[in-house]
Amino acid sequence: DIQMTQSPSTLSASVGDRVSITCRASQSIGNWLAWYQQKPGKAPKLLIFKASTLQSGVPSRFSGRGSGTDFTLTISSLQPDDFATYYCHQYKTYSPFTFGQGTKLDI
Amino acid sequence: QITLKESGPTLVQPTQTLTLTCTFSGFTLGTTGVGVGWIRQPPGKALEWLALISWNDDERYSPSLKNRLTITKDSYKNQVVLTVTNVDPMDTGTYYCARIVIPAAPFDYWGQGTPVTVSS
Repeated sequence: DIQMTQSPSTLSASVGDRVSITCRASQSIGNWLAWYQQKPGKAPKLLIFKASTLQSGVPSRFSGRGSGTDFTLTISSLQPDDFATYYCHQYKTYSPFTFGQGTKLDI
Repeated sequence: QITLKESGPTLVQPTQTLTLTCTFSGFTLGTTGVGVGWIRQPPGKALEWLALISWNDDERYSPSLKNRLTITKDSYKNQVVLTVTNVDPMDTGTYYCARIVIPAAPFDYWGQGTPVTVSS
């Protein structure tokens, strides 16, 4: 299985800050990497796929980069609605798919 | 508009079989590339992919749970069913179904999730 390791596990920040979350794959996954945002009691929401493609409707303050094994999600200017947990997800080999352990972004 | 909704029991006794149904609309499982998967999340923990069924009836399972999972589809009813045999308290969590378009996109539309507790 391809293991996905996110860092940090928790991140404290303020409105207006620029923050980045990293995700490392245990082997190369090309650009088959997605980022999700999840709020308490809600389903995950797709933000970015193919490492850097913004899902329709997602604000442009979210961006992704990387390929191979190292990936980054950046939020350029935090808004109150952005405080949530973020997961990376590899879908290069769809058996099995794997997720990172999550990064909780709080105030 | 694409929607998915999970349904099933909220409480299951250990050793029993859990059956969950995903009812979807706005897409068909007969379209090339389309699949529906199940993902679960134990309380306070990360997401875990369980199973996937594709437009061509291909079935994929998490290796760690393969022996206990079965995924089926009914394209006419627009439903996907997941069964988990011999449940254990470790199977407690929220179960989500989600659409995927292989290989272009990951799970893009998700259901709201259904909570399951395994307890006697």
